[in-house]
Amino acid sequence: DVKVTQSSRYLVKRTGEKVFLECVQDMDHENMFWYRQDPGLGLRLIYFSYDVKMKEKGDIPEGYSVSREKKERFSLILESASTNQTSMYLCASSRQVEPSTDTQYFGPGTRLTVL
Amino acid sequence: GQQLNQSPQSMFIQEGEDVSMNCTSSSIFNTWLWYKQDPGEGPVLLIALYKAGELTSNGRLTAQFGITRKDSFLNISASIPSDVGIYFCVRYKLSFGAGTTVTVRA
Repeated sequence: DVKVTQSSRYLVKRTGEKVFLECVQDMDHENMFWYRQDPGLGLRLIYFSYDVKMKEKGDIPEGYSVSREKKERFSLILESASTNQTSMYLCASSRQVEPSTDTQYFGPGTRLTVL
Repeated sequence: GQQLNQSPQSMFIQEGEDVSMNCTSSSIFNTWLWYKQDPGEGPVLLIALYKAGELTSNGRLTAQFGITRKDSFLNISASIPSDVGIYFCVRYKLSFGAGTTVTVRA
């Protein structure tokens, strides 16, 4: 079974703090993704990566950066957390080069609260 | 980005009822995916559609790719309590609709 794990289920941070959200997948997938999920807005793509050290902006990259130093690990970084970044963050991975036609496997999510 | 419109936004149904939801877009594209998110979990792929007019079933779930390539429908027959969750349609470039939240009354 594919497993996507996220470092924390719940996280509380203060405004201005630097925040790292970690995601690890164990199936040697090429593609990894970070989404945020907000009520009434569905899942919005922040960044994705199709290879080590490669990244592409999604729909809402502002205020975020990412790092993919190893194939299995994709990190989402909030350089200076703000209250409007309070959200549920979901990581996913998939195998195929064309991610829109391949199954994405999601982690359980990290609920981040910024005070 | 291009918008996906899902309806209804939420629904309360009796166990045993059939459920229908749909997703529309102003743009044409070649793939529709339907995901379900159980409470407290990440979304899981239910059905993938690759051709206009295609009708695909997965157990009690049936999904159709609209002929115009601008819409898709998901039907659940004879709903059961574990059908509770949020259903998302997904288009090319990985944008998700806002979701349809389904609550099943026993």
